[in-house]
Amino acid sequence: ILNVEQSPQSLHVQEGDSTNFTCSFPSSNFYALHWYRWETAKSPEALFVMTLNGDEKKKGRISATLNTKEGYSYLYIKGSQPEDSATYLCAPNTGNQFYFGTGTSLTVIP
Amino acid sequence: GAGVSQSPRYKVTKRGQDVALRCDPISGHVSLYWYRQALGQGPEFLTYFNYEAQQDKSGLPNDRFSAERPEGSISTLTIQRTEQRDSAMYRCASSETLAGGYEQYFGPGTRLTVT
Repeated sequence: ILNVEQSPQSLHVQEGDSTNFTCSFPSSNFYALHWYRWETAKSPEALFVMTLNGDEKKKGRISATLNTKEGYSYLYIKGSQPEDSATYLCAPNTGNQFYFGTGTSLTVIP
Repeated sequence: GAGVSQSPRYKVTKRGQDVALRCDPISGHVSLYWYRQALGQGPEFLTYFNYEAQQDKSGLPNDRFSAERPEGSISTLTIQRTEQRDSAMYRCASSETLAGGYEQYFGPGTRLTVT
């Protein structure tokens, strides 16, 4: 079992604010890191897959970075909008198994 | 194209009954994963398949849980002699290749309630 920690557990920000959260994982046996966006009553939706140390990915206002040596990834949202409200899950992968964190719940207040 | 589908979407069963949950992955996807998700928690890995071969079943909680994917497409997760603690959302996901570096696409889940 891989210990995956996400922080903070929940976050409330004003519309227009930029925000970021962290995913920490053991750096040994690392293969890939996945980020998912999960809205209540829906299925997790893939955001990014990163494999290399120093990887940076961007999709619109959302971006992510990866540090495999120290075992963390940051997810950034620039200029948060109410539609960004969701739980953001990270899942490191060891080559076969995925280990999901409990997520960061983001609420963007209009 | 069609995404991952699961059936039934909701299942209520009495303690001690067996249940079978079905997952229909995206056509052509090689890898298929099963997860269990408790309320407010992230998905917990159960097992996964590459084609019809079950690669890792270390996440299955006990021997009442089993899964198969006989033709490398549709998969069934079976829970025998259900217990109340089995109540959860069961999700499956598929990805197009064997490597864990490719996106998974999740199905809508089956909400299982054991009374």
